[in-house]
Amino acid sequence: EAGVAQSPRYKIIEKRQSVAFWCNPISGHATLYWYQQILGQGPKLLIQFQNNGVVDDSQLPKDRFSAERLKGVDSTLKIQPAKLEDSAVYLCASSLWERGTDTQYFGPGTRLTVL
Amino acid sequence: AQSVTQLGSHVSVSEGALVLLRCNYSSSVPPYLFWYVQYPNQGLQLLLKYTTGATLVKGINGFEAEFKKSETSFHLTKPSAHMSDAAEYFCAVSSNYKLTFGKGTLLTVNP
Repeated sequence: EAGVAQSPRYKIIEKRQSVAFWCNPISGHATLYWYQQILGQGPKLLIQFQNNGVVDDSQLPKDRFSAERLKGVDSTLKIQPAKLEDSAVYLCASSLWERGTDTQYFGPGTRLTVL
Repeated sequence: AQSVTQLGSHVSVSEGALVLLRCNYSSSVPPYLFWYVQYPNQGLQLLLKYTTGATLVKGINGFEAEFKKSETSFHLTKPSAHMSDAAEYFCAVSSNYKLTFGKGTLLTVNP
């Protein structure tokens, strides 16, 4: 079974530029998550989708971050414009459903460096 | 609100020694608890999880954890460390369908 795919793996941009990350979840998984992991910290949930609807985006900085999950499959997270403090690893995860017991499966992440 | 505290950002053990990584949580509802491992430049991989039932949970790679409600703890142990166990370990609590992670504990294993 293929795991969660993410691209690119690494990205370096200048501040105020825009960037987009792509995620393809495990086939059949209804729930998709985007996390931000700053160096030395645990992952922090940015947004959660159930199929193509948003369940929780309370910690997404909506003035600069946006995300979509068209057709309830793959997803894109965008940052526009980027700030220095956005330097982090962006992790995508998926789970079969949104029950609290469901295991979340993580992709390898995209490491973003903002200069 | 739920939260996780991992005591010790860095733990160092010798190969063959006991591994003990500490995790305490707070949750307003009965929690589901998870331990994930992250190897360099990789995503997180589930080690084990507690949902209901037996409070001693066995996971992959010889790890286990015990849920102690009275102590609000979910410590991770392994009897004998291997070099391949060197990684970062994250404890997480799930309640109200939201997963909250601790800050992680970096485990180093010395030969």
